[in-house]
Amino acid sequence: GAGVSQTPSNKVTEKGKYVELRCDPISGHTALYWYRQSLGQGPEFLIYFQGTGAADDSGLPNDRFFAVRPEGSVSTLKIQRTERGDSAVYLCASSLSLVRKTGPTEAFFGQGTRLTVV
Amino acid sequence: GQNIDQPTEMTATEGAIVQINCTYQTSGFNGLFWYQQHAGEAPTFLSYNVLDGLEEKGRFSSFLSRSKGYSYLLLKELQMKDSASYLCAVREYSGGYQKVTFGIGTKLQVIP
Repeated sequence: GAGVSQTPSNKVTEKGKYVELRCDPISGHTALYWYRQSLGQGPEFLIYFQGTGAADDSGLPNDRFFAVRPEGSVSTLKIQRTERGDSAVYLCASSLSLVRKTGPTEAFFGQGTRLTVV
Repeated sequence: GQNIDQPTEMTATEGAIVQINCTYQTSGFNGLFWYQQHAGEAPTFLSYNVLDGLEEKGRFSSFLSRSKGYSYLLLKELQMKDSASYLCAVREYSGGYQKVTFGIGTKLQVIP
């Protein structure tokens, strides 16, 4: 597709369950970001991928959160033993890498996955 | 790490001009972005500054002073549809890796 695609758009899960959130970035974008946004707040950085590797995962709140990008394209954010405090909109963004010297380098966002833990 | 500060809320009148300020502290600075986010929607890119000075794009302009760690977004001829949150974001670049961190966002309300 032309833009960043995130699925599902909404996810309601019970406390303690496991969830997976998927992000399909813009084709050719090697940089991929996951953010979490709570109501009235700015996007909170979780993890950044450059290609297949997690270049910076310092924003993951604890070891219940994990993300992968095995082929350098689609990424999955995984949350184990969900808690009510995990409820938020999870945003994915992708961009060209700064390694490329031409082209825009701003991040393009998907519509997000609204996660509700009940 | 990064520290990004911007006002949480502003109100301005339709047709007027409003300036939204952003200050930041970071190492490895490699650009500042402004995004617009309407309620319930994803952020959309507005502007990018990496060198000092003013970048103008239609009704929107963005200014950067790297030495002061300061940027502002200027919106002219305000329209009701400009009511949204405006996010300041700073990119760090080090060793081939980049990280973009967002401020809390400034919620702008445009009134008739």
